[in-house]
Amino acid sequence: NAGVTQTPKFQVLKTGQSMTLQCAQDMNHEYMSWYRQDPGMGLRLIHYSVGAGITDQGEVPNGYNVSRSTTEDFPLRLLSAAPSQTSVYFCASSRTSGRVRPGELFFGEGSRLTVL
Amino acid sequence: RKEVEQDPGPFNVPEGATVAFNCTYSNSASQSFFWYRQDCRKEPKLLMSVYSSGNEDGRFTAQLNRASQYISLLIRDSKLSDSATYLCVVNHLKGTYKYIFGTGTRLKVLA
Repeated sequence: NAGVTQTPKFQVLKTGQSMTLQCAQDMNHEYMSWYRQDPGMGLRLIHYSVGAGITDQGEVPNGYNVSRSTTEDFPLRLLSAAPSQTSVYFCASSRTSGRVRPGELFFGEGSRLTVL
Repeated sequence: RKEVEQDPGPFNVPEGATVAFNCTYSNSASQSFFWYRQDCRKEPKLLMSVYSSGNEDGRFTAQLNRASQYISLLIRDSKLSDSATYLCVVNHLKGTYKYIFGTGTRLKVLA
């Protein structure tokens, strides 16, 4: 019962470094997304995907890239880390897309990133 | 104006009390509505979906008012274990599945 798996759980970066947050789900969900959560700001959508090969921007996409080469994986890349990207990142997936009523979002446990 | 707005709280209530939270959304085309619960430093988890006719799950009741564009969550007979942040979630664009979260309402149930 793995569900949504995120790695790493904790990461410290220096300004300007790049890294990739990994997200994998084993529920055959079409929809996958990345959020960041900051105090007082709630969860903000970074990027999302409704299927392999399809990605789109959310509310706060700048500084992040994503790709969806398989149904299972949806990595989030930080191109050149900045202190403003210090946050908790959540990956989430859902079983529905297209014309079907949206379903429950399942979240990973989160990745806590600090950029110095 | 944020697309989904909630009172951040905290709501401090005694055990056994009834407490209600509201959430307003700005897009009248919003389709689906949910309440999620988030414990401190944990991932959000679905508490309940919100249906047009209103729905109940044990001590929890959710209502939708499309005319006024808000959803509500009522918790009866509060337990200490209900202490958490409650997130309002809206999916507002047909077919694209962008789930938009409110900032959450923090609830503290006191012994």
